[in-house]
Amino acid sequence: SQQGEEDPQALSIQEGENATMNCSYKTSINNLQWYRQNSGRGLVHLILIRSNEREKHSGRLRVTLDTSKKSSSLLITASRAADTASYFCAVLYMEYGNKLVFGAGTILRVKS
Amino acid sequence: DTAVSQTPKYLVTQMGNDKSIKCEQNLGHDTMYWYKQDSKKFLKIMFSYNNKELIINETVPNRFSPKSPDKAHLNLHINSLELGDSAVYFCASSQVRAAGELFFGEGSRLTVL
Repeated sequence: SQQGEEDPQALSIQEGENATMNCSYKTSINNLQWYRQNSGRGLVHLILIRSNEREKHSGRLRVTLDTSKKSSSLLITASRAADTASYFCAVLYMEYGNKLVFGAGTILRVKS
Repeated sequence: DTAVSQTPKYLVTQMGNDKSIKCEQNLGHDTMYWYKQDSKKFLKIMFSYNNKELIINETVPNRFSPKSPDKAHLNLHINSLELGDSAVYFCASSQVRAAGELFFGEGSRLTVL
């Protein structure tokens, strides 16, 4: 299966805490992207990291990429109730013809 | 001023019927996609068009037929609907063929009874 794997499947934290989600993938990638999906809504792009990059920041988001371990992590700092959503990693595999393959997602619940 | 809009948002129909979902993007993107999200939230690509040309056609039953009249529109027609077709169908677009970010519509929830 080309699908990446995310863990944990679900995460529940208190407002103000940090949330970390992980994504593992199979073979060489072009880039890796993270998306957020609020309940009943479409996916929204958060951040893209290229295979030659190791870390990227966007506001309270920090993404790391370790190509030797074929894994990425998304850190949300100082979480807010509004961060409650499902988070998906999506991997652009070099050998699969520019096809973006999504992971199963992590459900994040931030309690206020 | 929605970037990627799809209609209808909800669709409830009987097995065996034929239905269509329409998608339009006003972002000027060249590439459009259809994704299917099942009840476990797993998102799987179905089709991709670049400038009206089909470039990705996953292992999807031929009851599903995409049509792109122009690069701003990508419609999905489904014949002989089955129970297993119940899902949320998302349209998306991108400027660069999958190498950049995807912009998603709000989804069309299809329920087959």
